[in-house]
Amino acid sequence: DAKTTQPTSMDCAEGRAANLPCNHSTISGNEYVYWYRQIHSQGPQYIIHGLKNNETNEMASLIITEDRKSSTLILPHATLRDTAVYYCIVIYSWGKFQFGAGTQVVVTP
Amino acid sequence: AAGVIQSPRHLIKEKRETATLKCYPIPRHDTVYWYQQGPGQDPQFLISFYEKMQSDKGSIPDRFSAQQFSDYHSELNMSSLELGDSALYFCASSWTSKGEQYFGPGTRLTVT
Repeated sequence: DAKTTQPTSMDCAEGRAANLPCNHSTISGNEYVYWYRQIHSQGPQYIIHGLKNNETNEMASLIITEDRKSSTLILPHATLRDTAVYYCIVIYSWGKFQFGAGTQVVVTP
Repeated sequence: AAGVIQSPRHLIKEKRETATLKCYPIPRHDTVYWYQQGPGQDPQFLISFYEKMQSDKGSIPDRFSAQQFSDYHSELNMSSLELGDSALYFCASSWTSKGEQYFGPGTRLTVT
């Protein structure tokens, strides 16, 4: 599975959009990009995933660059409850997750 | 909607004792994954099962074993516990060929 690189941390003001980048320059053509988050020792929570096209659901939007070497998770209106560690994971269609360091996002009032 | 159930939620054991962690996947999910998360660390994959057969293995110590039963629940057995085994243990389940894994609340194991 391709390795991912994410910023260690980022702050976001409540009510503003949070844009979380992820680099996966070695991704192969049939690998998916998944995003999960972990709120303080709770079980990781699925957010969204995509292959080539941009995706949107009730939680977030996922923008994947045309060359698929990077992606951005967008939380449109961050709330205090969005404070968590966000993980970008690249895998083939299914299988074990290799969690990287993730991005600690702190949403401030 | 039904979620992944893990029991117990908290477990305190002494060194050299044994522990059994249980995981009940979401109904109709046929794949179970186990992850270990040490203090201040990211989750690390231990082992997975698909249709009651081991499907993949990660950095799981030989002192640990696991299996998936006919009702798809899974148990992680840990023997000769060491202080370093103190961690959160997460179970996740998924449906065949679907990448999304749904995680349980975890079992916090403390070895004293």
